[in-house]
Amino acid sequence: GAVVSQHPSWVICKSGTSVKIECRSLDFQATTMFWYRQFPKQSLMLMATSNEGSKATYEQGVEKDKFLINHASLTLSTLTVTSAHPEDSSFYICSVEELAGYNEQFFGPGTRLTVL
Amino acid sequence: AQKITQTQPGMFVQEKEAVTLDCTYDTSDQSYGLFWYKQPSSGEMIFLIYQGSYDEQNATEGRYSLNFQKARKSANLVISASQLGDSAMYFCAMRVNTGANSKLTFGKGITLSVRP
Repeated sequence: GAVVSQHPSWVICKSGTSVKIECRSLDFQATTMFWYRQFPKQSLMLMATSNEGSKATYEQGVEKDKFLINHASLTLSTLTVTSAHPEDSSFYICSVEELAGYNEQFFGPGTRLTVL
Repeated sequence: AQKITQTQPGMFVQEKEAVTLDCTYDTSDQSYGLFWYKQPSSGEMIFLIYQGSYDEQNATEGRYSLNFQKARKSANLVISASQLGDSAMYFCAMRVNTGANSKLTFGKGITLSVRP
């Protein structure tokens, strides 16, 4: 299946700063990537669907101006958390959908964000 | 709307024994796919097994099998010969519209602990 990387794997930042998280599809050209958020011991919540060359589609309740998504190439999507606050602290995971077989999603290793 | 229900509390199993993790789903669509993912403490989501709504046979992947009962809308995961490395959180997920770019809806997950 597709191999997905994320960078950084963890980040600590001060309140009010912006943080960029990269999601790369290493062996597969992904026209679509997904961004999820997960709080401890909870399920994954889809934040947005990232489409290469076009605007991301955000889920209801997700602030577009706070969580900026850019899918500039077939192998890279970025999530920028702007003006981060402690409540943004979470585990952020991206995935790509492989358009073969079961069309299953393959996930990156995740990025743990802590906002102080 | 689609819904995945995982209601079991934390599950415990003795090493080398089999364990069943329950999942029920709700959808009005006829075409859908069901997935199970494993999330160890490292956070990475690992795809385990897939069952399509039109598949007549239960899916199997090594030690994993899916007990699919369509009329009851259940898709339970059976892990045979449990290993210590199976200790993790397990998520059941559903995708409606098996075309590309379709979203996954996740259950809240079940924590499995394998005892030596």
